[in-house]
Amino acid sequence: DTAVSQTPKYLVTQMGNDKSIKCEQNLGHDTMYWYKQDSKKFLKIMFSYNNKELIINETVPNRFSPKSPDKAHLNLHINSLELGDSAVYFCASSKLATSTDTQYFGPGTRLTVL
Amino acid sequence: ILNVEQSPQSLHVQEGDSTNFTCSFPSSNFYALHWYRWETAKSPEALFVMTLNGDEKKKGRISATLNTKEGYSYLYIKGSQPEDSATYLCAALGGADGLTFGKGTHLIIQP
Repeated sequence: DTAVSQTPKYLVTQMGNDKSIKCEQNLGHDTMYWYKQDSKKFLKIMFSYNNKELIINETVPNRFSPKSPDKAHLNLHINSLELGDSAVYFCASSKLATSTDTQYFGPGTRLTVL
Repeated sequence: ILNVEQSPQSLHVQEGDSTNFTCSFPSSNFYALHWYRWETAKSPEALFVMTLNGDEKKKGRISATLNTKEGYSYLYIKGSQPEDSATYLCAALGGADGLTFGKGTHLIIQP
């Protein structure tokens, strides 16, 4: 069983479209994250949710809206996609929202905006 | 947000040799340091989480040390094997902003 899963794995879409990426974890963790791997290969935190509540919200355009329907899911919705949104997006989870907790990553979703 | 640097950016090591690489971070406002192993087309996989100055962790042939006063961590691999080829990421946590990742050290083990 995959611990942290993301769908889709690949997403190719036109500029201006709205798309969602789904993330699910079956580890019973309380905290989930979204990261973006930029063109320079850095992994950068975008959002973090703990028990369905937003705890980290880095400076990302408000076209990006995370939604956590329950503790096991954290979806990322992106409105009005732009070319610069092309990247690999990783979801992760940890048991608690503390610095000492290991984060478990999903396989990534490669988004290409044409 | 912390500034996390890793060096070298890439490293070629002969099979059987031992190697090490560095992660540096600002020593002020430090909470924890994470090491991840990231193979191509896979997810980053956690190796270690360290928080205290002088911490040493070991997993098989891989070990890590932490110096929070001077702001660095070393990752050591003893007797490198081809399956050790991967990108090794470190990430530091400085409070409420979440993990800040370095660019990684890309390790290639040559048979």
